[in-house]
Amino acid sequence: EIVLTQSPGTLSLSPGERATLSCRASQSISRTYLAWYQHKPGQAPRVLMYGASNRATGIPDRFSGSGSGTDFTLTISTLEPEDFAVYYCQQFHSPSRLITFGQGTRLDIK
Amino acid sequence: QVQLVQSGADVKEPGASVKVSCTASGYTFTSHGINWVRQATGQGLEWMGWMNPNTGETMSAPKFQGRVTMSRRTSISTAYMELSGLRSDDTAVYYCARWDGTSCDFDYWGQGTLVTVSS
Repeated sequence: EIVLTQSPGTLSLSPGERATLSCRASQSISRTYLAWYQHKPGQAPRVLMYGASNRATGIPDRFSGSGSGTDFTLTISTLEPEDFAVYYCQQFHSPSRLITFGQGTRLDIK
Repeated sequence: QVQLVQSGADVKEPGASVKVSCTASGYTFTSHGINWVRQATGQGLEWMGWMNPNTGETMSAPKFQGRVTMSRRTSISTAYMELSGLRSDDTAVYYCARWDGTSCDFDYWGQGTLVTVSS
């Protein structure tokens, strides 16, 4: 089973700053199968990025994704108040058809 | 528009089973896999398993094998997840989520169902 490790666990920033969130896989994964989600309290998670670097429908362009192999990054270029939430990376392993999430990064207002 | 509507909150005693439903609308139910994801109190998202609504084929995460049963009634576009042998650490919000096989992500989610395990 592929383990996804996200860092940092908590990131404290101010609106207007840049956020960089990391997701590291225990073995190499295809970019095609790496997605990012935003999760706010009391709401269902929302997909932000798929295929590592493709924005989902309706996601503003301040969100971007990059990476390959075992290291992936979600960047929020200029934080808006509504961006403070928990972010998860998720991978699909095609041979086993198993899915795993990272443990999440909490983005807090400083 | 695509919607996934889940059943309401439930309270169960340790050792019991719980069955959560997820009713889909706005798309062809059999065309997309339905997954189950949970978030235990203070924890992150945890994938539980997947079902192909067309064939009924299922796959569960190793942690839940033997305890989770996924099923469906296509006539009413509803998927079910039953978890048995409940323990206190199964107290969580349980989500159903639609799998998009093109973008390989969960593109629509249910609103979540809180299951509380308590004696």
